[in-house]
Amino acid sequence: DGGITQSPKYLFRKEGQNVTLSCEQNLNHDAMYWYRQDPGQGLRLIYYSQIVNDFQKGDIAEGYSVSREKKESFPLTVTSAQKNPTAFYLCASSPGTGSQISGNTIYFGEGSWLTVV
Amino acid sequence: GENVEQHPSTLSVQEGDSAVIKCTYSDSASNYFPWYKQELGKRPQLIIDIRSNVGEKKDQRIAVTLNKTAKHFSLHITETQPEDSAVYFCAARARGFLSSGSARQLTFGSGTQLTVLP
Repeated sequence: DGGITQSPKYLFRKEGQNVTLSCEQNLNHDAMYWYRQDPGQGLRLIYYSQIVNDFQKGDIAEGYSVSREKKESFPLTVTSAQKNPTAFYLCASSPGTGSQISGNTIYFGEGSWLTVV
Repeated sequence: GENVEQHPSTLSVQEGDSAVIKCTYSDSASNYFPWYKQELGKRPQLIIDIRSNVGEKKDQRIAVTLNKTAKHFSLHITETQPEDSAVYFCAARARGFLSSGSARQLTFGSGTQLTVLP
């Protein structure tokens, strides 16, 4: 899991501003994910991608956008439409899609803290 | 969709005692159950997982049990140490596809804050 790099570690966003969180992995994993974590709460899936040039909405996709132009990269944009973006954002990856192999382990990056000011 | 409930939300134990965290799931098709440990401000890290073809799995002081009939699984930590203090998350996932054609994804519990008192 040391092969997943998120940046920046801390980010401050002004209201009405879009920001992009970077996620890069060198594990040659097919699948990548973005989760949001609020204080004292669990992990909620924002978007995921099973393969390059394809991605799917998770449980809380509204106000977010992603792209998957390269296998190793899965950036997340937090748009101004996301009304409550302050949270800890975790990028993750796994070797397969889960549909091929039951129980593909998900590995997480170090996370990015986003605060609205 | 899958719903995972985790209890308790907080747990304090004396060093050396055992700790047990329980999760229930709703989707009988779920067949993969990982547990993650997250220290404050850090990433979640997989500590143990179990698949539906086994009922129990152990790794040193950590064990996970699965009851598919009752749809619940538990994490057991024996001889707890202060460094075990963290938030623990359970998760569940079913094999196969959603109606949209997407693969099923992990659903996480809400987490348990474990504090080991010296």
